[in-house]
Amino acid sequence: GAVVSQHPSWVICKSGTSVKIECRSLDFQATTMFWYRQFPKQSLMLMATSNEGSKATYEQGVEKDKFLINHASLTLSTLTVTSAHPEDSSFYICSAPSEGVNQPQHFGDGTRLSIL
Amino acid sequence: KNQVEQSPQSLIILEGKNCTLQCNYTVSPFSNLRWYKQDTGRGPVSLTIMTFSENTKSNGRYTATLDADTKQSSLHITASQLSDSASYICVVTSNSGYALNFGKGTSLLVTP
Repeated sequence: GAVVSQHPSWVICKSGTSVKIECRSLDFQATTMFWYRQFPKQSLMLMATSNEGSKATYEQGVEKDKFLINHASLTLSTLTVTSAHPEDSSFYICSAPSEGVNQPQHFGDGTRLSIL
Repeated sequence: KNQVEQSPQSLIILEGKNCTLQCNYTVSPFSNLRWYKQDTGRGPVSLTIMTFSENTKSNGRYTATLDADTKQSSLHITASQLSDSASYICVVTSNSGYALNFGKGTSLLVTP
């Protein structure tokens, strides 16, 4: 079945470092991908919608200069957390929809980001 | 405001027992309702998807129901197994596109 691969699965780095997270659709094309953030025991919160060939759409309150999104191809979207600080530590998850509104969203396995 | 409310927040059951999780929503217009299973530290995995015209859908030991009139859904797990321990998330999509409205999830713990 369709699979979304997310890499890396775990990152630990120093404050001030920029971190790039990749999200790939492995056997289908995704013109749209979604990036979420999840705090412990909380629901997924949509951060932004990544659109192939155009600018990402950010949710209210999400800093676009802080969370850079690039959807360079039909199978790859990247999220870069720039100058990360401890408050950016979280679980980041991407998803890509199968074709058709009533088809499942396929989620990556998430990236655990820890900023020291 | 589109909302998805799940209950209970957490649940502990013995292995082999059945349980039912609830989801109430106010999302409108309605497109579909999905149940996902999320293991700790992993991404959500789809269990069922139901559209307006579907009342029930099964996936192995998981059976989801939908009452679009009362805007309620349930997920019934039969003969629970230890591997069922996870967070179960109800997600409702409106007709406006792919935007998903997430519930906060029910944390299920199945004990021996």
